[in-house]
Formats: sequence, C-alpha cells, structure tokens
Amino acid sequence: QSALTQPPSASGSPGQSVTISCTGTSSDVGGYNYVSWYQQHPGKAPKLMIYEVSKRPSGVPDRFSGSKSGNTASLTVSGLQAEDEADYYCSSYADSNNFWVFGGGTKVTVL
Amino acid sequence: QLQLQESGPGLVKPSETLSLTCTVSGGSVSSSSYYWGWIRQPPGKGLEWIGSIYYSENTYYNPSLKSRVTISVDTSKNQFSLKLSSVTAADTAVYYCARLKMATSDFDYWGQGTLVTVSS
Repeated sequence: QSALTQPPSASGSPGQSVTISCTGTSSDVGGYNYVSWYQQHPGKAPKLMIYEVSKRPSGVPDRFSGSKSGNTASLTVSGLQAEDEADYYCSSYADSNNFWVFGGGTKVTVL
Repeated sequence: QLQLQESGPGLVKPSETLSLTCTVSGGSVSSSSYYWGWIRQPPGKGLEWIGSIYYSENTYYNPSLKSRVTISVDTSKNQFSLKLSSVTAADTAVYYCARLKMATSDFDYWGQGTLVTVSS
C-alpha cells in the first residue's frame, strides 16, 4: 500500500480537463510544500511535471498545473491531448522517518 | 545534459544480493546541491523510493527496506550504487536511479531503468 493515495484512473475527452488528487497526511503532503508530480508513459522512465506543489520545470506545457489544500494535492491537465495519456504519480517529502514517498499512480485515459 | 545510466545483473537468485550501479555523465555526484537516489517499480505497480545518498555519504533509506539496503557513492568514478540483500521474488522490479534536488525535494533526472528479476 502506497503512502499517498491517488485514484487508480481518470479520463477526459480531448480538449477537456482532468484533475487527479493525491492525499497524504500532515507528516508529508500537509506538512511540506514539496509535492511533485511525474508523468510516465509505458516502458519509459518517469518525467518531472510539477515541483514544489505548483511550479513547472522548463519545457512542461502550461496545461499542467498543481495545487494543494491541507493534506491533499492535485494535478490538473487542461486542454487534454492524446499524448497526455499516461500514468501520473505524486510524491512528497515526508518526515524524518520516511523522507520521500510516492502515490500509487493514476492512469489517465484520453477518450 | 545530465544523463544517468543503470547497470548490473538482470537476474538474481533468491536470498542473494542485488547490486546495481548508476553512472552519471554531464554532472557530478559531488555537487552540494543534490542527493542521488534509487526508486523501483514492480511490474504493473507503482513507484517506491528505496533510498538516497549525499556526496558526503549521508544516507537515507526507506524504513521498510532499511535492514537490507546499502547505498554508496564513488566520486572518483562519478557513480553511486545500490545493494539489496536477501532478495525474494517481491524484489523483482524495474530499478531507476535519479537525481534529487535538495532545495525542492523532487527527482528531476532519471535513468532509463533496468529490470531485475529474482528467480532461481
């Protein structure tokens, strides 16, 4: 069982938006602004899409956005495109016992 | 451009020790701004952080694996390594090495991953 809880799946039509949640505790997501999101296509390594809750690395489209409220972080993909179909994982720095934790992943399907 | 490349046996027998090395190019494992880490992904499952190391050899391990894991760094070769002892079939996974930014606690560069199967 993963430390952070994500829905197993989400979907949307091209051009629509999809939001993925990532629920933790006050010892990880709620306690630190060090939530990151990763996109993983089949057979590929994860790619950093969002860091520090809402910041985008260079080269990541602004269709990807992140936010946090309490112990739950969220990733929103706006204007869905076919290439956005992938697995998405959240991660957070945690307390000194666990250090870094991941969510179980959410499969995003573009209908 | 920073690149990370995992290497090591693709097949390990149960009860033996899994050993992998990550070679870093285009950057230095001695950088004071980064940790270097290992993450694994069992087939069809999610990501699991294994552990991370700082060039000064400060190490941080997943509590669930701590008794079996050793991560070390070789600054002369610009490499860091993973050893996981007493492996079972549950340790079968794709193992990734990655760079972890200290300031923002995210994994910004990843290796391509290497599949390690535990089987007799």
